[in-house]
Amino acid sequence: GAVVSQHPSRVICKSGTSVKIECRSLDFQATTMFWYRQFPKQSLMLMATSNEGSKATYEQGVEKDKFLINHASLTLSTLTVTSAHPEDSSFYICSARPRGLYNEQYFGPGTRLTVT
Amino acid sequence: SQQGEEDPQALSIQEGENATMNCSYKTSINNLQWYRQNSGRGLVHLILIRSNEREKHSGRLRVTLDTSKKSSSLLITASRAADTASYFCATDGRGGGNKLTFGTGTQLKVEL
Repeated sequence: GAVVSQHPSRVICKSGTSVKIECRSLDFQATTMFWYRQFPKQSLMLMATSNEGSKATYEQGVEKDKFLINHASLTLSTLTVTSAHPEDSSFYICSARPRGLYNEQYFGPGTRLTVT
Repeated sequence: SQQGEEDPQALSIQEGENATMNCSYKTSINNLQWYRQNSGRGLVHLILIRSNEREKHSGRLRVTLDTSKKSSSLLITASRAADTASYFCATDGRGGGNKLTFGTGTQLKVEL
């Protein structure tokens, strides 16, 4: 149980285009999902917290107009990187917190984004 | 919030040896968690220790927490080549809404 999937696992896009990444909780409902970013050989940095049915809360320094987050259902959150640039190339990981379980987060397998 | 620091940054040991990784953090916490990440993959939750706990075991894993020093350690006993991965601590800070702050990570390599 407690499986989180991400799609796509890898994506290459051209500079200036937009890319959407999906995060799904497969066997539980997630009231909260988190989006992280990880550069090579570095740690995870929280980008934003996504609550079902409400606006995402972004961490300091993360541009909300560039990284659009939508959490339209209890099992799906999406991150759209708009007008991508090479410096947006990174590993994006989501996690999902099951409804009612405050201390638990389950992580997706990550999405490798490369912007050329 | 600032990231925690982990040391060592990299650790190379022989199979069968024990591996110890340390994590320090800066703020008061509700709990501290350890995660494992294989190269290019997502995170696997290993163990959670609450702020009122001092030690916890899970299989070959032993975690300690010293809130007075704001530090934690992860011990992997009788290591195996399959334990090769990066290990991260993550703190759930008080008042932080269950947002995790990750440490810088330790890259563990277990050689045959």
